[in-house]
Amino acid sequence: EADIYQTPRYLVIGTGKKITLECSQTMGHDKMYWYQQDPGMELHLIHYSYGVNSTEKGDLSSESTVSRIRTEHFPLTLESARPSHTSQYLCASRDLRSNSPLHFGNGTRLTVT
Amino acid sequence: AQKITQTQPGMFVQEKEAVTLDCTYDTSDPSYGLFWYKQPSSGEMIFLIYQGSYDQQNATEGRYSLNFQKARKSANLVISASQLGDSAMYFCAMRPDDRGSTLGRLYFGRGTQLTVWP
Repeated sequence: EADIYQTPRYLVIGTGKKITLECSQTMGHDKMYWYQQDPGMELHLIHYSYGVNSTEKGDLSSESTVSRIRTEHFPLTLESARPSHTSQYLCASRDLRSNSPLHFGNGTRLTVT
Repeated sequence: AQKITQTQPGMFVQEKEAVTLDCTYDTSDPSYGLFWYKQPSSGEMIFLIYQGSYDQQNATEGRYSLNFQKARKSANLVISASQLGDSAMYFCAMRPDDRGSTLGRLYFGRGTQLTVWP
């Protein structure tokens, strides 16, 4: 069963459009993350959050932005999509225990034409 | 800096055989956790197994076990009795303990594509 949800699952849009990728979790986790993954490649952290109103940029330079107004919701927004944004975007969350794994959503496969 | 190395881009194993997927890591943190994830072609990331750096025994979860050699900074995943459904990409990941600037971030290797054949 999925406790972390991402929508849409697939998205094809034209260059210049503004898009928001949704991520919600029902586990009450404080820590949430966005990773970007090109096919067959490793995951790169682009944003993370420790809790409400707290967000940080990750390792990979990204033109996206995030917000964390509610604990359960961590949307990612691209103001103006470009073909270079074509990728898979994975949202994850975890609790505060040191041994807690990341729980991932099913991902959003984004194609910008 | 944290670095995870998976040197095997692809591995092949026959059904019912065991297979070892290699992972080495580099960290200066004295306390950390090691994780393995499975990613089928459908794209979701499935958590498999966890090993803490201070755990005395190697972790096991069903058919998965982790061969942890701390001095060598190695955390290899062993899958016993492979099944066709094990065919997937496998990622090794490391997380320093939550403190300071790392704040519990997970660092991933490049992955190993495992193919199980009948």
